[in-house]
Amino acid sequence: SAVISQKPSRDICQRGTSLTIQCQVDSQVTMMFWYRQQPGQSLTLIATANQGSEATYESGFVIDKFPISRPNLTFSTLTVSNMSPEDSSIYLCSVGTYPSTSGGRNEQYFGPGTRLTVT
Amino acid sequence: DAKTTQPTSMDCAEGRAANLPCNHSTISGNEYVYWYRQIHSQGPQYIIHGLKNNETNEMASLIITEDRKSSTLILPHATLRDTAVYYCIVRVFKTSGSRLTFGEGTQLTVNP
Repeated sequence: SAVISQKPSRDICQRGTSLTIQCQVDSQVTMMFWYRQQPGQSLTLIATANQGSEATYESGFVIDKFPISRPNLTFSTLTVSNMSPEDSSIYLCSVGTYPSTSGGRNEQYFGPGTRLTVT
Repeated sequence: DAKTTQPTSMDCAEGRAANLPCNHSTISGNEYVYWYRQIHSQGPQYIIHGLKNNETNEMASLIITEDRKSSTLILPHATLRDTAVYYCIVRVFKTSGSRLTFGEGTQLTVNP
């Protein structure tokens, strides 16, 4: 399994400012993802963080609004830029470890999340 | 990835079996069925997965119909701590990794 920590765990921010969320994993992982969970909603994938290259964004999410870095196999950051109240959500980091053996066991683990409130 | 359909909510009495259904009628032959759950204020947690055979682990059992168009997650003896949103997800296994696409899930409430 993988143990994931996120910083900060929660924050209250003013509109127009930016917040960078950190995700640290206790072991090297193949895949890192960032999800958003708006109040009362399911999880929505923002992007896949690629080590050494630009992140791959899902439809509806752009790099200017959600810049992502992944400098190595254990760490990633997500920045929420020029925030508005609509950005108030829980942001979750997720990692995937994919053993080479078959069986479909794509292990995917989630961090505790960062609860962001924009006022 | 194939879409899934789950009931919005279900109730279960503590100590009884909780049976959570999922329809995935457009599933492809190389797609697996995964179940995750999310307890309030926590990140989702993997429960179990399967391709076409029934599976059992320490948390739950997964029953997949012969035509693979639906499945049922069974929590044999539900406890209050099993109250959570349960997500049924269908996706292809890739050694290079593949992402999870979450639907709305089923809110399971276990009552004392």
